[in-house]
Amino acid sequence: AQTVTQSQPEMSVQEAETVTLSCTYDTSESNYYLFWYKQPPSRQMILVIRQEAYKQQNATENRFSVNFQKAAKSFSLKISDSQLGDTAMYFCAFRGVTSGSRLTFGEGTQLTVNP
Amino acid sequence: DAGVIQSPRHEVTEMGQEVTLRCKPISGHNSLFWYRQTMMRGLELLIYFNNNVPIDDSGMPEDRFSAKMPNASFSTLKIQPSEPRDSAVYFCASSPYRSSYEQYFGPGTRLTVT
Repeated sequence: AQTVTQSQPEMSVQEAETVTLSCTYDTSESNYYLFWYKQPPSRQMILVIRQEAYKQQNATENRFSVNFQKAAKSFSLKISDSQLGDTAMYFCAFRGVTSGSRLTFGEGTQLTVNP
Repeated sequence: DAGVIQSPRHEVTEMGQEVTLRCKPISGHNSLFWYRQTMMRGLELLIYFNNNVPIDDSGMPEDRFSAKMPNASFSTLKIQPSEPRDSAVYFCASSPYRSSYEQYFGPGTRLTVT
């Protein structure tokens, strides 16, 4: 079974600064997909970024980028130029190719961006 | 596209009553998922369907919970009888039937059982 761990329950950052959220996972699969989802106070789950395990290049979406270290089973999210609207709960998620369509989520990290 | 649609958005009911949550997935998506979110347990997958067929219901807490997907555009999650510990936010999500695709979540239904 896969497990996803987010060791930072809460984090805060000043507006315009950079913050990195950590995520580690454990799996025996060699091919899988990793995601970061954002859940603002509206509770809507919004996809932030996706990484395919077979790609060595780290995914980037505007101010959001990941540091994917496959050997270390680490998948951190970096938010640059933090904005007040980035305040949300962030979930790391794993989806294996052979384990079906299910997503396994981490516990979440509550990020607060301060003005 | 309207995205995943869930109804109702909020439901308050008394213990022992039957509760039915509804979901309309994104058109063309073959996989549908039901999740439950609580402070104590985080996000839990309850059940998922591929092409309207239940594939994995190992996350369904007990026999009081049941889910159906009679067609590609509609699914229900039923709790009968409901208990206070069922209070949570229930999400429905859908995705194309390939593991490379992300899941798209609905807005959730906040259920309160008193």
